[in-house]
Amino acid sequence: GDSVTQMEGPVTLSEEAFLTINCTYTATGYPSLFWYVQYPGEGLQLLLKATKADDKGSNKGFEATYRKETTSFHLEKGSVQVSDSAVYFCALSDGTGNQFYFGTGTSLTVIP
Amino acid sequence: DAGVTQSPTHLIKTRGQHVTLRCSPISGHKSVSWYQQVLGQGPQFIFQYYEKEERGRGNFPDRFSARQFPNYSSELNVNALLLGDSALYLCASSSLAGGGNEQFFGPGTRLTVL
Repeated sequence: GDSVTQMEGPVTLSEEAFLTINCTYTATGYPSLFWYVQYPGEGLQLLLKATKADDKGSNKGFEATYRKETTSFHLEKGSVQVSDSAVYFCALSDGTGNQFYFGTGTSLTVIP
Repeated sequence: DAGVTQSPTHLIKTRGQHVTLRCSPISGHKSVSWYQQVLGQGPQFIFQYYEKEERGRGNFPDRFSARQFPNYSSELNVNALLLGDSALYLCASSSLAGGGNEQFFGPGTRLTVL
C-alpha cells in the first residue's frame, strides 16, 4: 500500500543554518504531497503542498519539490529561525484522494 | 471565523466501554476526516466523509465507526475500547473531498483508556 517515510529526528540547528528534512513515498497512481507543521502548543497546519510531479510548493521560506523519479518530497529552508522550531510531518493523499498517509514527524529545534 | 472544533477535550474510559467523539468543521466545509495520533507518531487515517457519505477508510477494525450529519458535523464511535486505543483523535475538515485539498485540523480529543 501507499506510505510515507520521513527522516528521523530530532534535528537541532543553529539559527541561519540550512535545513533539509527528507521524505520519500510509495504510491500507486498520482498522489498529492504535503508538509504539515505543528508549532509548540498548536494544532497541525498546512505548510505547503504539491499536487503533481515537478510542482514546487513554497511558504514562509520553505520549499519542497515533487520528484516522481526519486519518489521524494524533501523539505528545505535556506536560513532557519528560532521560530521555525516545530514538528514537521510529510503527508500523502493517494490518487483517489480518499486515503491519507502521514510520516512519523521530525522535531526541529533551532537554537540562537 | 471559528476553526475546527472537537469535543470533549479530554476523556478517560475503561476497557470495554464505548466512546463518542464529536467534530464541527469550518463553516462551509463539507468534508471531515478522522485521525488517530499515538504519542511520538504521525496521524493515522481512520475515515473520510464527504456529503454524509464515507469516502475513505483506513486500516482500523470494525470497532471504529463514524457518521456525518446534514450540518456536516461528525461523530467518531469506538466500541469495546482497548488500552491501545489511548491516543489523540484529530478531526480535519476541507472544503471538498479529493487529494489536493488542504485539511484544517482541530485541536484533538485526548482519549485515555484504563
